[in-house]
Amino acid sequence: AQRVTQPEKLLSVFKGAPVELKCNYSYSGSPELFWYVQYSRQRLQLLLRHISRESIKGFTADLNKGETSFHLKKPFAQEEDSAMYYCALSSGSARQLTFGSGTQLTVLP
Amino acid sequence: KAGVTQTPRYLIKTRGQQVTLSCSPISGHRSVSWYQQTPGQGLQFLFEYFSETQRNKGNFPGRFSGRQFSNSRSEMNVSTLELGDSALYLCASSLGQGRETQYFGPGTRLLVL
Repeated sequence: AQRVTQPEKLLSVFKGAPVELKCNYSYSGSPELFWYVQYSRQRLQLLLRHISRESIKGFTADLNKGETSFHLKKPFAQEEDSAMYYCALSSGSARQLTFGSGTQLTVLP
Repeated sequence: KAGVTQTPRYLIKTRGQQVTLSCSPISGHRSVSWYQQTPGQGLQFLFEYFSETQRNKGNFPGRFSGRQFSNSRSEMNVSTLELGDSALYLCASSLGQGRETQYFGPGTRLLVL
């Protein structure tokens, strides 16, 4: 069975500091991994996916198959980055997403 | 393009009743997935519909059902409501051709009293 683990429920950093949100997964095949973000009073939206290898809003994430991790990083956090972040995995050809429990990021001024 | 829309946005029901939620996907999207979000269990997959057929199903009791219409709009139904069904129900749409990005609606918040 597939599983996504986000070990930090809450994470606070100061503005300008680096931030890393951890995500580990378990899946025997070749997964597709995503980071979704939910800003206050807004809908869940895609931040980035590993297959596109893009940097969105300064965030990057690298899939490490050896460590089965997909950590989200940003070198300089901004106050507008405060939000709930979900790591998600899609397996096989399914549209089914398995989500982690989420990490609430607060960027302090 | 207009985003995914869900109606109603809020709903209050009592135990034992049934409820129907509606989701309109992004134009051109043929796949609609439903998720339940609760503080305790987080985001959990309910089911996915594609071309009016249920293609994938999560681990929920048979009280949870859904359907999809020829215009790709989808409804989910919960019968014999229980207190534990109180949740935010999200639907997401995608083209349905692989592991592409899913676009989420704002959700319907259901409160069961």
